[in-house]
Amino acid sequence: DQQVKQNSPSLSVQEGRISILNCDYTNSMFDYFLWYKKYPAEGPTFLISISSIKDKNEDGRFTVFLNKSAKHLSLHIVPSQPGDSAVYFCAASVWGNTDKLIFGTGTRLQVFP
Amino acid sequence: DVKVTQSSRYLVKRTGEKVFLECVQDMDHENMFWYRQDPGLGLRLIYFSYDVKMKEKGDIPEGYSVSREKKERFSLILESASTNQTSMYLCASRQGSQPQHFGDGTRLSIL
Repeated sequence: DQQVKQNSPSLSVQEGRISILNCDYTNSMFDYFLWYKKYPAEGPTFLISISSIKDKNEDGRFTVFLNKSAKHLSLHIVPSQPGDSAVYFCAASVWGNTDKLIFGTGTRLQVFP
Repeated sequence: DVKVTQSSRYLVKRTGEKVFLECVQDMDHENMFWYRQDPGLGLRLIYFSYDVKMKEKGDIPEGYSVSREKKERFSLILESASTNQTSMYLCASRQGSQPQHFGDGTRLSIL
């Protein structure tokens, strides 16, 4: 059973526009969430995180929103750039047991000129 | 800068062979992890270790074992490789509550 779901396998966005990547989870015990970005032939790199005591965290062009009641988080990239083209994974864990990350299946973002 | 190095980028082995995947980190991190990444399944945790000679099962440990004799090195062992273990294998490490840092992966094919 997939506890963390990314229902959109792919997303295509024009350069300069907003990219919104979505992630849903089923386990109400999850209280710490991360986004990783992965380029082909490279390992995932950490992008941004959020704990359940917040509903928003911002880092430059990247903002993560958390809706606990809906068990939903989203990553907004504004403005999108061609270099943002990658696969994005969301991951979740229980705070205090953050060694056990549960990853989603990933969304491939393509930003075109 | 953080560096996690996986010894092979590509590896081809035969069914039944014993396979070793090696991972080294240079940040003196306590915790190390092995994942496999498969299309449509994301990353799944196989094993992790929080100290030398310590190991914990992840979500899919069957068919795998691990070894951590030194702090900087974490090995994944396929005792008797099978075709369903063909996958991308990713090693990661971290310290404390920091995010995990990943290596570039080993693409393993079992024929």
